[in-house]
Amino acid sequence: KAGVTQTPRYLIKTRGQQVTLSCSPISGHRSVSWYQQTPGQGLQFLFEYFSETQRNKGNFPGRFSGRQFSNSRSEMNVSTLELGDSALYLCASSLVGTDRGDEQFFGPGTRLTVL
Amino acid sequence: GDSVTQMEGPVTLSEEAFLTINCTYTATGYPSLFWYVQYPGEGLQLLLKATKADDKGSNKGFEATYRKETTSFHLEKGSVQVSDSAVYFCALTSSGNTGKLIFGQGTTLQVKP
Repeated sequence: KAGVTQTPRYLIKTRGQQVTLSCSPISGHRSVSWYQQTPGQGLQFLFEYFSETQRNKGNFPGRFSGRQFSNSRSEMNVSTLELGDSALYLCASSLVGTDRGDEQFFGPGTRLTVL
Repeated sequence: GDSVTQMEGPVTLSEEAFLTINCTYTATGYPSLFWYVQYPGEGLQLLLKATKADDKGSNKGFEATYRKETTSFHLEKGSVQVSDSAVYFCALTSSGNTGKLIFGQGTTLQVKP
């Protein structure tokens, strides 16, 4: 089975721009979670989508948003980029409804640099 | 709120040494506990997990036991290899909230030949 894929792998943007990151989960996985990883704050939960609905949200400003499509692929969007948004953005998928439903499988991440 | 605390790194060991990375947690209810590993330039890989008190998770020679009385989930390996060099993250999910992992700060392990 193919793993979680994220595109693009690297992005460079300037302050004030917006960006969209994409995540394709493992086939059959309907839950997708997003995380931000920075050296200072570590790994922080952004949000989770399940069956096209946001089920959980972390403590991030409204500039961070996401959505999930009917094929379980997910996108996250960051508007009005700030320097502090530079980070590795990780997506993870899980197989909800099984005894392994709490296991999240991560993609390689998208490295976003804001100049 | 729920939280995870890991020992600070980096941890530097010689090959074949014994490894312990400490992890304690604060959570209401009965969380599931995990160890993830991140190799340079990669995403996170699930190393092992435990879902209830006294459960022992194990994989690739690594072990961790869910200790509710001490709210701990320490990672151990009897003999580390150079290939184990990576960053290790302890994490939890709250019961009924499986889509949200709460991570510790991570511990960098460097194993020297």
